[in-house]
Formats: sequence, structure tokens, C-alpha cells
Amino acid sequence: ETGVTQTPRHLVMGMTNKKSLKCEQHLGHNAMYWYKQSAKKPLELMFVYSLEERVENNSVPSRFSPECPNSSHLFLHLHTLQPEDSALYLCASSQAQGLDYGYTFGSGTRLTVV
Amino acid sequence: GQQLNQSPQSMFIQEGEDVSMNCTSSSIFNTWLWYKQDPGEGPVLLIALYKAGELTSNGRLTAQFGITRKDSFLNISASIPSDVGIYFCAGVSGAGSYQLTFGKGTKLSVIP
Repeated sequence: ETGVTQTPRHLVMGMTNKKSLKCEQHLGHNAMYWYKQSAKKPLELMFVYSLEERVENNSVPSRFSPECPNSSHLFLHLHTLQPEDSALYLCASSQAQGLDYGYTFGSGTRLTVV
Repeated sequence: GQQLNQSPQSMFIQEGEDVSMNCTSSSIFNTWLWYKQDPGEGPVLLIALYKAGELTSNGRLTAQFGITRKDSFLNISASIPSDVGIYFCAGVSGAGSYQLTFGKGTKLSVIP
């Protein structure tokens, strides 16, 4: 148990579907992140929330929509995705005031778009 | 933006061999972190380094924070099959920074 829980672990969705990824942490952290990890590519930062405010949006297509209702929960809403969006989506959390201990990552959601 | 150059990109080694990988940057970092990612899982923190020149061990793992603050290396001694995975370096550039800079990872394969 890493302290950051992501659900579901695996998701297969059609290009016309709408689905949501959920991330939950009970580490007392107040910053949360979404990363995309594709095969043979480096970790790509998608969104950053610090103190429940979005502070970073790295030119992510609008078919990905994040939501951070409180410091413990983070969602990634998905709609009309493309096959190239298939990847491992990782959620992470940290202290907003400093990264001396880095991020704590969840186990990821393996997304396949068909 | 800041970049971390991590090498090698991949390694195939025999069980029992020692492994060395490193990260370099053109920028100074205040904290260096090393993560390991098992297949199908998220990265897990292995070692954190906070001072230039610092040498820290965690079991068979040893990591060092370079004197120039622009590099770090990770050594694994006497590798075992469960060492397989992707190893990432990450840097924190300064106080108040909320974002890690990651290397592209070193994929380690251990041949029994």
C-alpha cells in the first residue's frame, strides 16, 4: 500500500465513451499530480493541483479534464479519447511547501482506448 | 526548461553483477531522488539526497549527490532478479518548487 490509491487499475474504453479515473491519498499531502506514461516515452506531466488550485496544465488536450474537489481526491475525466491516449496514467501527491521527500505515486490506471 | 540526462537507457546484466547508472544536468538541483518502477506499477522512492557530496545507502543500493550539484549516480551491488524495472532520477530545483524534473529512466534487465 503506497498511500496513494488509484481506481480503476485497468480500463478499456471506446472512443465515444466517457469515463473517470480516481485518485485518493491520506498522507496529509496538499499537492496532487497527473502523469501520463506511454511505452518508450518519459513521464509526461499533465496537471498539477496545489492547495486545491490548478497550477499547471501542460498543453493537455481538452478531452482530458481534471477535477480536485479537496486535497485528498483527484479525478481525471475522459471523453472522446483517441487510441494514442492509451497509456499508464499515474497520480502522485506531495507536500506543496517542499519536495524534500519527492512524490508518492499511486499504482496507476492502465488505459486502453479501442 | 530543465532537463535531466539519464544513462544508460537500458542495461542487461547477469545476476550477481553490480550496476551503475547516472543523471546529469546543466542546472543545479537542491535535492536528488531515485525511484524504481516495477512493471505495471507506479514509481517508488528508493533514496533521497539533500547535500552536495552526500553518499547514501539503502541495502544494496548506494547513491551520491554530485559535488557540482548537477549530477547524481545510483549503484546496485550484487544484482538479483527482483531488481528488474525502470529506475528514474529526479531533481528538485529550489525551495518552493512544486514540480520534480525526471530523467527518462534506465530499464534494467537481470539475467538469472
